[in-house]
Amino acid sequence: EAGVAQSPRYKIIEKRQSVAFWCNPISGHATLYWYQQILGQGPKLLIQFQNNGVVDDSQLPKDRFSAERLKGVDSTLKIQPAKLEDSAVYLCASSLGGWGVGEKLFFGSGTQLSVL
Amino acid sequence: AQTVTQSQPEMSVQEAETVTLSCTYDTSESDYYLFWYKQPPSRQMILVIRQEAYKQQNATENRFSVNFQKAAKSFSLKISDSQLGDAAMYFCARGGSQGNLIFGKGTKLSVKP
Repeated sequence: EAGVAQSPRYKIIEKRQSVAFWCNPISGHATLYWYQQILGQGPKLLIQFQNNGVVDDSQLPKDRFSAERLKGVDSTLKIQPAKLEDSAVYLCASSLGGWGVGEKLFFGSGTQLSVL
Repeated sequence: AQTVTQSQPEMSVQEAETVTLSCTYDTSESDYYLFWYKQPPSRQMILVIRQEAYKQQNATENRFSVNFQKAAKSFSLKISDSQLGDAAMYFCARGGSQGNLIFGKGTKLSVKP
């Protein structure tokens, strides 16, 4: 079974530029998550989708971050314009079910973003 | 704020020995799940073990086991017979009400040959 696919693996940009990350979840997984992991910290949820609807985006900086999950499958996370503090690893995860306490999340290998 | 705390930034263990990683958490929920994830240098988070708070029996997965103390809100991970491949960052997490995970800051585990 193929895992969660993410691209690119690394990205270096200048501040105020824009960048986009792509995620393809495990086939059949209804729920997709984007996490931000700053160096030395645990991942923090940015946005959670169930199918193509947003479940939680309370921690997404909406003035510069946007995300979509068209057709309830793959997803794109965009930052425009980027700031220095956006340097982090962006992890995508998926889970089989809908909302539910105890869901097992499966993660991709992330995109490491460096903003100079 | 409902948080997850890992008080050990780094731990070290000799190969074949046993090590315990600590985690405490805060929640107002009556039923919830707790998780330990491993993150090697490849960055991919890998599920190690999962515990349902409703169950009194501690979860076990091969060399990995937990000591779950619900009243104390403590959830430690014990790794027995440590192997070189166990070296990684380990994150404790609590399951949120909508299926997301709330992570601690992690413990870096080194395994000495």
